[in-house]
Amino acid sequence: RKEVEQDPGPFNVPEGATVAFNCTYSNSASQSFFWYRQDCRKEPKLLMSVYSSGNEDGRFTAQLNRASQYISLLIRDSKLSDSATYLCVVGERNNNDMRFGAGTRLTVKP
Amino acid sequence: ETGVTQTPRHLVMGMTNKKSLKCEQHLGHNAMYWYKQSAKKPLELMFVYSLEERVENNSVPSRFSPECPNSSHLFLHLHTLQPEDSALYLCASSQVSTAGYGYTFGSGTRLTVV
Repeated sequence: RKEVEQDPGPFNVPEGATVAFNCTYSNSASQSFFWYRQDCRKEPKLLMSVYSSGNEDGRFTAQLNRASQYISLLIRDSKLSDSATYLCVVGERNNNDMRFGAGTRLTVKP
Repeated sequence: ETGVTQTPRHLVMGMTNKKSLKCEQHLGHNAMYWYKQSAKKPLELMFVYSLEERVENNSVPSRFSPECPNSSHLFLHLHTLQPEDSALYLCASSQVSTAGYGYTFGSGTRLTVV
């Protein structure tokens, strides 16, 4: 079983659509959770941390379910500029042992 | 300069060459990492340096040799590489024990071994 598993892509959605990505992780002792965004041929950049209570940043909402070892990212009112690969990242201990999912490719079309 | 800077951005090397990748962070972090990203694969952790001490060597072949002279600088020395080593090599830094802040990545070095 993969340590961090994400929805297989790609997701192709029209502008304005709502899209959700899911991620599961295998280590129940994981301490920290993140979504990163990676544009084509660029480095990953932190999109948002994911907290137990859930958190929202504008059009983006992240949820964590520790019991099910499941993380989600919801994007509302998709923009063309949201097109990227979204990486689910799970930290195992002390924030210095992060495990990355393979990523889910999103393309938002006019 | 701010953030994490990597040089060179692109590198083409022959299998008998020796080269080094350089990473520098200006964030005051105390941990640095090397990751390898191949096409359509998850990022693979190669090395972790925490407080300038190597804490993880993730079964990486000896043709890759890391060096961390201080908390701001990280090198990856390359020698006798194979074509399958062609990939994007990413450096990252973080503050250990500060959960919730994630990693900051450099722009990467795109390596091609010919």
